[in-house]
Amino acid sequence: ETGVTQTPRHLVMGMTNKKSLKCEQHLGHNAMYWYKQSAKKPLELMFVYNFKEQTENNSVPSRFSPECPNSSHLFLHLHTLQPEDSALYLCASSPDRWAGEKLFFGSGTQLSVL
Amino acid sequence: KNEVEQSPQNLTAQEGEFITINCSYSVGISALHWLQQHPGGGIVSLFMLSSGKKKHGRLIATINIQEKHSSLHITASHPRDSAVYICAVRSGSNYQLIWGAGTKLIIKP
Repeated sequence: ETGVTQTPRHLVMGMTNKKSLKCEQHLGHNAMYWYKQSAKKPLELMFVYNFKEQTENNSVPSRFSPECPNSSHLFLHLHTLQPEDSALYLCASSPDRWAGEKLFFGSGTQLSVL
Repeated sequence: KNEVEQSPQNLTAQEGEFITINCSYSVGISALHWLQQHPGGGIVSLFMLSSGKKKHGRLIATINIQEKHSSLHITASHPRDSAVYICAVRSGSNYQLIWGAGTKLIIKP
């Protein structure tokens, strides 16, 4: 148990559906991250929030929309996804975006887009 | 070519064997991380190091800054060590984390 909880663990959705991924951390961290992990590829950083403000968006398509209502919660809203978006989506947190400490990861949401 | 390269990509060994996983990088770094990902997805940080060597139980991580190379060693390997081991470096210039593609380790009983 890392202190970072993601729901749901698995999600199957059609290309026209709208769904949301949720991430919650109880570590008192101020930075939260969304990563995409595709098979046999390095993790891809999608979004970074530091003190509830989005500090990075790594050219992520607009069909992915993040939301960070407070430092403990992070959402990823999904709409009109493509089959190539099927991947493991990982949430992580750290004390601060720039402090360089290690990341704490959730277990991920395995997303399949049909 | 990735800025962080891991080798081997896949490794299968017998229980009890000494395991070495390598990570080479091509950028200046402020720190290097080793992480473990079990089936089911969750990633756990094993080590963060910027010089020398760290040891935790049967795991040992070393780094050679001049050669831009790090190794993760597992002594007396056990089937529960089966996982994907990921190397990531924190860029010394823009502080970004740059990730390796991972090494999938299987330890057979």
